[in-house]
Amino acid sequence: EIVLTQSPATLSLSPGERATLSCRASQSVSSYLAWYQQKPGQAPRLLIYDASNRATGIPARFSGSGSGTDFTLTINSLEPEDFAVYYCQQRSDWPATFGQGTKVEIK
Amino acid sequence: EVQLVESGGGLVQRGGSLRLSCVASGFTFRNNHMSWVRQAPGEGPEWVSVIYSGGTIYSADSVKGRFTISRDNSKNTVYLQMNSLRVEDTAVYYCARVEQWLGRSFDLWGRGTLLTVSS
Repeated sequence: EIVLTQSPATLSLSPGERATLSCRASQSVSSYLAWYQQKPGQAPRLLIYDASNRATGIPARFSGSGSGTDFTLTINSLEPEDFAVYYCQQRSDWPATFGQGTKVEIK
Repeated sequence: EVQLVESGGGLVQRGGSLRLSCVASGFTFRNNHMSWVRQAPGEGPEWVSVIYSGGTIYSADSVKGRFTISRDNSKNTVYLQMNSLRVEDTAVYYCARVEQWLGRSFDLWGRGTLLTVSS
């Protein structure tokens, strides 16, 4: 099973700042890496699939990059609604696995 | 409206059984692979099982032999039959649609249904 390690665990930033989240895989997942946003009491929402493709309706301030084992989610100019927990997920093969999450909180 | 609506969660004793249902609407259900993903309190999501449009099934090792996913395309519904429940199965169970283009992520989620397994 492929293990995903996210860093940092918590990111304290102010609205308008840039957030940079990292996800590292225990072995190569090619580009089969997705990012999700989750707010309290809600289901995860797909932001990025295939490492760098924005899902339908996702604002352009969200971008993803990387391949192989190292991936990054960047949120340019944080909006108040962006403060949430973010998870990466891989599906190089089944089982799909998720990272433990990065919480982006208001500084 | 494109949505998934889960039901069937509740409080069950250890060793008991329960069946979850997920009704899909707003898209062509029979053409999509469907999955269950769970999330224990305070934890990240954990993939449980997937059923392809053609019926192929994959499941996590943690539920193999205990949980069975199935689908009824005539009812736009996917099910999760859960037997021999353990305390560690306690979680919110989400129904999720597998993204169609690459099939490597989950692009539509329900609101979830809570399963609590008591000891």
